[in-house]
Amino acid sequence: EPEVTQTPSHQVTQMGQEVILRCVPISNHLYFYWYRQILGQKVEFLVSFYNNEISEKSEIFDDQFSVERPDGSNFTLKIRSTKLEDSAMYFCASQDIANTGELFFGEGSRLTVL
Amino acid sequence: GENVEQHPSTLSVQEGDSAVIKCTYSDSASNYFPWYKQELGKRPQLIIDIRSNVGEKKDQRIAVTLNKTAKHFSLHITETQPEDSAVYFCAATLGGDKIIFGKGTRLHILP
Repeated sequence: EPEVTQTPSHQVTQMGQEVILRCVPISNHLYFYWYRQILGQKVEFLVSFYNNEISEKSEIFDDQFSVERPDGSNFTLKIRSTKLEDSAMYFCASQDIANTGELFFGEGSRLTVL
Repeated sequence: GENVEQHPSTLSVQEGDSAVIKCTYSDSASNYFPWYKQELGKRPQLIIDIRSNVGEKKDQRIAVTLNKTAKHFSLHITETQPEDSAVYFCAATLGGDKIIFGKGTRLHILP
């Protein structure tokens, strides 16, 4: 069964460093998402991406965040200068039909900022 | 603002009893309402969803009801089992291409 894959599974970084989290969505999906989950808290929407551009973003997704689909398969989330409060699990998700289809989540990338 | 409210935050039920989790949403244009189950350290997984053109949907022990007028929807789990213990999130489409999650309900099934 096709699934969303994410790398790395866990990344530890120093505050102020840049981090890139990578995702490979399901191949025939058209909509891509990043969500964040701080330990023990809710799953928070960060950004949605369709047709090679951001379609929606939340207040969390400030200038320190960016997303890119550099080729036909990868979908990346970049945090330019990490802060302690960026420590969380980051989930990538993809969807084949916007707003009416299931979100398929990857297993997540745990980011720890020291 | 755009929001999905979920209650209760924790719920303990005896094995075999029913569990009900309730959510409300703010955007009357929302048309898709999924429920996700998240086990400790795992990704959220879809367990059931409902679209705005129906009022109820059932899949074995799990059912979801939707009241569009009141803008609320509920998850019902009957004959609960130990493996139902997890965190459950409701979600709704809000304001375009985003699905917003509630804060989650930690369900404990007591032996």
